[in-house]
Amino acid sequence: QVQLQESGPGLVKPSQTLSLTCTVSGGSISSGSYYWSWIRQPAGKGLEWIGRIYTSGSTNYNPSLKSRVTISVDTSKNQFSLKLSSVTAADTAVYYCAASSGTFDYWGQGTLVTVSS
Amino acid sequence: SYELTQPPSVSVSPGQTARITCSGDALPKQYAYWYQQKPGQAPVLVIYKDSERPSGIPERFSGSSSGTTVTLTISGVQAEDEADYYCQSADSSGTSVVFGGGTKLTVL
Repeated sequence: QVQLQESGPGLVKPSQTLSLTCTVSGGSISSGSYYWSWIRQPAGKGLEWIGRIYTSGSTNYNPSLKSRVTISVDTSKNQFSLKLSSVTAADTAVYYCAASSGTFDYWGQGTLVTVSS
Repeated sequence: SYELTQPPSVSVSPGQTARITCSGDALPKQYAYWYQQKPGQAPVLVIYKDSERPSGIPERFSGSSSGTTVTLTISGVQAEDEADYYCQSADSSGTSVVFGGGTKLTVL
């Protein structure tokens, strides 16, 4: 059973870069079975897919966020990461990492990131 | 960019049937998936590949597809089914994942 856990700062200042890491356990991130994704959800609003990375390093991003997003993978640590630059209050949300094979099979518990000075 | 459209809310009485629709131009080409989300929890998959039900999901949950619309049907709705429901699919190229705006199911 794959398990995912998000980690990173809960508070980020406007204009700075949000950085989160997802640690995968119960399976190898290099297995090739999944895409590794980031999804976010502002309070009281819907889910928004941010992007994903495959073990090979190939990435796909939400067109609306593409200019500010970088997703990377560290196979040695069984982790993948999200960087979102030039954040504003609109980026305040619960951020989830997830493993997908078409569907999002496994989710982290989510971590709240607040953008505020 | 590609969008999936869901009704913001659906209300039904216990024991009735709830139907939640999701519309998108690429749905004839791409599978749809449905998630249930309760407050403070991560989403849970209830339907995959338009109409398949994961193990552990009650039989009252079913999915169907017709043209550019997919439908999640909950038969014999129970109070515990009150939640937000999201459809998810991909654009026609398959490279961009998209969620519908979500539907709040209220059990009266």
